Amino acid sequence: DAGITQSPRHKVTETGTPVTLRCHQTENHRYMYWYRQDPGHGLRLIHYSYGVKDTDKGEVSDGYSVSRSKTEDFLLTLESATSSQTSVYFCAISEFGGSNEKLFFGSGTQLSVL
Amino acid sequence: QKEVEQNSGPLSVPEGAIASLNCTYSDRVSQSFFWYRQYSGKSPELIMSIYSNGDKEDGRFTAQLNKASQYVSLLIRDSQPSDSATYLCAVISSGNTGKLIFGQGTTLQVKP
Repeated sequence: DAGITQSPRHKVTETGTPVTLRCHQTENHRYMYWYRQDPGHGLRLIHYSYGVKDTDKGEVSDGYSVSRSKTEDFLLTLESATSSQTSVYFCAISEFGGSNEKLFFGSGTQLSVL
Repeated sequence: QKEVEQNSGPLSVPEGAIASLNCTYSDRVSQSFFWYRQYSGKSPELIMSIYSNGDKEDGRFTAQLNKASQYVSLLIRDSQPSDSATYLCAVISSGNTGKLIFGQGTTLQVKP
């Protein structure tokens, strides 16, 4: 998966608990993204980063925060998990961004919030 | 109206036939269009990109773009059972994020 590692691969947690998902890349790509995938909705962008400490919101950012302290790591945090955040989360990377935005995806994290 | 729309399917075709997957988009100024393939339980992978009107061929795959009709399609010739997957259409949006917007995907089943 193009040098992208997501951890954990699976997680079950309880409503109200904080959760952090990690994305690690070895490609030295500038752009990193977090998507969630739900039946009937396809992939929806949560947050993205265009450099160290440079992040911005996507279309479904409420309830999520991100941090990028190093080029290779992009963390997604659910401050207080809710059942509506049960989903498959994909990290993606892109070398150039912009109109030539070819994404490479990690293997995904299956998150269940009970 | 969703920004990128696809028929969720499933689309079922016999082995060796042409599979035609369709996608419409709402943002008239979109310039970049992509098709991703996703096998069940796996991550999406890019198979085609197209930026100008007309056809673009890559092996058994042909992407077609018609900006006037806001329509993108993917043709798969000589379909194989290994082509059975979900195909995601994605468009660069000039909207609030300027990032890739995905359709919900079309599931293709190729029957031997």
